[in-house]
Amino acid sequence: KAGVTQTPRYLIKTRGQQVTLSCSPISGHRSVSWYQQTPGQGLQFLFEYFSETQRNKGNFPGRFSGRQFSNSRSEMNVSTLELGDSALYLCASKRTGRKDEQYFGPGTRLTVT
Amino acid sequence: QQQVKQSPQSLIVQKGGISIINCAYENTAFDYFPWYQQFPGKGPALLIAIRPDVSEKKEGRFTISFNKSAKQFSLHIMDSQPGDSATYFCAATRQDSNYQLIWGAGTKLIIKP
Repeated sequence: KAGVTQTPRYLIKTRGQQVTLSCSPISGHRSVSWYQQTPGQGLQFLFEYFSETQRNKGNFPGRFSGRQFSNSRSEMNVSTLELGDSALYLCASKRTGRKDEQYFGPGTRLTVT
Repeated sequence: QQQVKQSPQSLIVQKGGISIINCAYENTAFDYFPWYQQFPGKGPALLIAIRPDVSEKKEGRFTISFNKSAKQFSLHIMDSQPGDSATYFCAATRQDSNYQLIWGAGTKLIIKP
């Protein structure tokens, strides 16, 4: 079974631009969560989608948004990029909305200049 | 109440030694405590997990010890090997939060050969 895939793997954007990151979960997984990982802040939860509905949301500004499609694939969008948005963005999927194991993708490394 | 406090931030252990990473929590509603291992350039991967009705769980060289009264849990890596060098995250979750994972800050473990 293929793992969680994220595209692109690396991205360089300019401050003020917007970016869309994509995540394809493991086949059959209906929950997708997004995290921001920075060296100083660890793993920060952005949001979780389950069956196309946002179930949980972290403490991030409205510039960060996401959605999930009927095939469970998910996208995350960041508008008006700031230098502080430079981070590794991780996507994780799990089979249901319960305490199943989360499987992480390799992440998208976003650099904002 | 939502926090999980992890220590130490970094740890250096000699090959063959025991690595110990500690986590503490406040919210007694947490009912699932996983540990994740992350290698550079990879997403975190589930290592081992425990529920509060068990005081210890062992998988190979990895053991979780759980102290419900003290609200603490720890990861022990026996006979630590250079290949164990990674960042380790503890986490906690509970049913009434849709099982959103609350993460510790991470511990960077280095095993010296």
